[in-house]
Amino acid sequence: KAGVTQTPRYLIKTRGQQVTLSCSPISGHRSVSWYQQTPGQGLQFLFEYFSETQRNKGNFPGRFSGRQFSNSRSEMNVSTLELGDSALYLCASSPGRNTGELFFGEGSRLTVL
Amino acid sequence: AQKITQTQPGMFVQEKEAVTLDCTYDTSDQSYGLFWYKQPSSGEMIFLIYQGSYDEQNATEGRYSLNFQKARKSANLVISASQLGDSAMYFCAMRARGSSTLGRLYFGRGTQLTVWP
Repeated sequence: KAGVTQTPRYLIKTRGQQVTLSCSPISGHRSVSWYQQTPGQGLQFLFEYFSETQRNKGNFPGRFSGRQFSNSRSEMNVSTLELGDSALYLCASSPGRNTGELFFGEGSRLTVL
Repeated sequence: AQKITQTQPGMFVQEKEAVTLDCTYDTSDQSYGLFWYKQPSSGEMIFLIYQGSYDEQNATEGRYSLNFQKARKSANLVISASQLGDSAMYFCAMRARGSSTLGRLYFGRGTQLTVWP
């Protein structure tokens, strides 16, 4: 079956703009998590959605937000972009069971100029 | 809080040899899960192996095995018979087992493995 799909794969924005990233989980998976990966901070958890509800949130400013739709697809939005937001944004889906592994997409690479 | 430590920024191994990537963790939780992921230069995180804190047997998946030593809080990844395609960044990660934390993994900083012919 199809894996986790993230769009767009690459994008370039300028400071002050906003960006929306999309994630389509594996069919049947109800949990979607987002991670930010940078050389300086490594992999950091942003938030998790399960059945359209935010279940957990990492330590990021309010400029970072997300949502999940009834078909489990998820979007994350970053407003008022800063240079430090340049990163690889990874989405992961899981069935939601306690022992289920997380399946990651290939990521969206954001560059802020 | 959960913390994962990978002390080896880079490792080199010759093709067909075995290699061990170190991972130690810190948690006050009694129930947790440990993961290893591989990230090639393309960026995708590829799941390799999982170990639950109450699993009595060390996990194995093909050429990958997890050397789990609970008392030492270590979860080292062993790759047997290394292949050139194993060259990638490897991440150790941990998840607490509460229902509200299923999608939250804590990652180490990673180990860059290079396999040479």
